[in-house]
Amino acid sequence: KQEVTQIPAALSVPEGENLVLNCSFTDSAIYNLQWFRQDPGKGLTSLLLIQSSQREQTSGRLNASLDKSSGRSTLYIAASQPGDSATYLCALSGAGSYQLTFGKGTKLSVIP
Amino acid sequence: ETGVTQTPRHLVMGMTNKKSLKCEQHLGHNAMYWYKQSAKKPLELMFVYNFKEQTENNSVPSRFSPECPNSSHLFLHLHTLQPEDSALYLCASSQDLGRADEQYFGPGTRLTVT
Repeated sequence: KQEVTQIPAALSVPEGENLVLNCSFTDSAIYNLQWFRQDPGKGLTSLLLIQSSQREQTSGRLNASLDKSSGRSTLYIAASQPGDSATYLCALSGAGSYQLTFGKGTKLSVIP
Repeated sequence: ETGVTQTPRHLVMGMTNKKSLKCEQHLGHNAMYWYKQSAKKPLELMFVYNFKEQTENNSVPSRFSPECPNSSHLFLHLHTLQPEDSALYLCASSQDLGRADEQYFGPGTRLTVT
């Protein structure tokens, strides 16, 4: 059974700092991996989707990488801003299923 | 702005009440999902519908009853819930059930069972 782990559970950084969020998974037979953002009490906003054949995806200040062999994905946020404060979730679909398995998320606080 | 809407946004109900959650997607998608998000737990998939047909029921108790009258609308009927059912209920949609299909989420309904 696939397990997704996100460490740390919470992270606090000063504004302007570059940061990396981590996601690890136990079964490397994945089809794609998505990073989501969730604001308090709100739904999920998709940030980046990486197909299993890809190594990374970029959108603005965000860069997500995928290393299937090591069972890891990272989300890099450049020049963090207070508006980036949210919980970041990673989720992945297995090679044989459309179902997403989610991590518990990392709660990010960017301090002005 | 997401193309998936959910109503109500907040709901408080007693254990003997009957209520329904509504989800509507304006994206022309064919697949719709219900997820449950409890505190300090990962999102849990509850139900999946594809072209109005239920394709997945992840061992959800019968006090939760989904309904999908068409590809744009999804309901979750609730009755005789328990306090542990209090959670954020999220609806999502995707073009199809393909493994590459990105899921789009609604804002959720915060449910409190008293």
